[in-house]
Amino acid sequence: LAKTTQPISMDSYEGQEVNITCSHNNIATNDYITWYQQFPSQGPRFIIQGYKTKVTNEVASLFIPADRKSSTLSLPRVSLSDTAVYYCLVGDLTSGTYKYIFGTGTRLKVLA
Amino acid sequence: GAVVSQHPSWVICKSGTSVKIECRSLDFQATTMFWYRQFPKQSLMLMATSNEGSKATYEQGVEKDKFLINHASLTLSTLTVTSAHPEDSSFYICSALRGREQYFGPGTRLTVT
Repeated sequence: LAKTTQPISMDSYEGQEVNITCSHNNIATNDYITWYQQFPSQGPRFIIQGYKTKVTNEVASLFIPADRKSSTLSLPRVSLSDTAVYYCLVGDLTSGTYKYIFGTGTRLKVLA
Repeated sequence: GAVVSQHPSWVICKSGTSVKIECRSLDFQATTMFWYRQFPKQSLMLMATSNEGSKATYEQGVEKDKFLINHASLTLSTLTVTSAHPEDSSFYICSALRGREQYFGPGTRLTVT
């Protein structure tokens, strides 16, 4: 069972800022939150990772509130090439083996 | 950044034959690798966790005798689909764990005819 919940899909227009929120109510104390982007027939690509507060890199920002039960990926000024599926991931240690269970992901469609 | 490769990138095989897929971490050593399967328009489904030097841990519902995983070195894990059937046709993706980050391979498209 996935430990994360995201909206199934989102539409946006070119040049807009897109915010995708992920819920992870049962995140463990030592877990980090990682976001990936996936294009069709490709492996997921790392976007950003964070533990708390705000993290920013050249492509995105990640906002994590103090309770860490959710996180928001912010993509500034999206373009058509940002159309992809976005996944947020946290670790899962419930079975005794550290692993990552993918949720549904958010299918982002950027319109011209 | 870290690079993970998969070979082959696509393969077509006849029903009843076996297919081996390789996953390599090219510029780092990975004690833990993961194997996922993805059907069209669906999310990645974790099949198993591969640990170097020990037996793989399979997810519930994944037949370990059908999907053989061998993690013989710190840079190579292999997935062998034995006695493949058309329903095994899928996109297989591996990943290698380095620190807190998972690096994914480009995937292997398997088609069983």
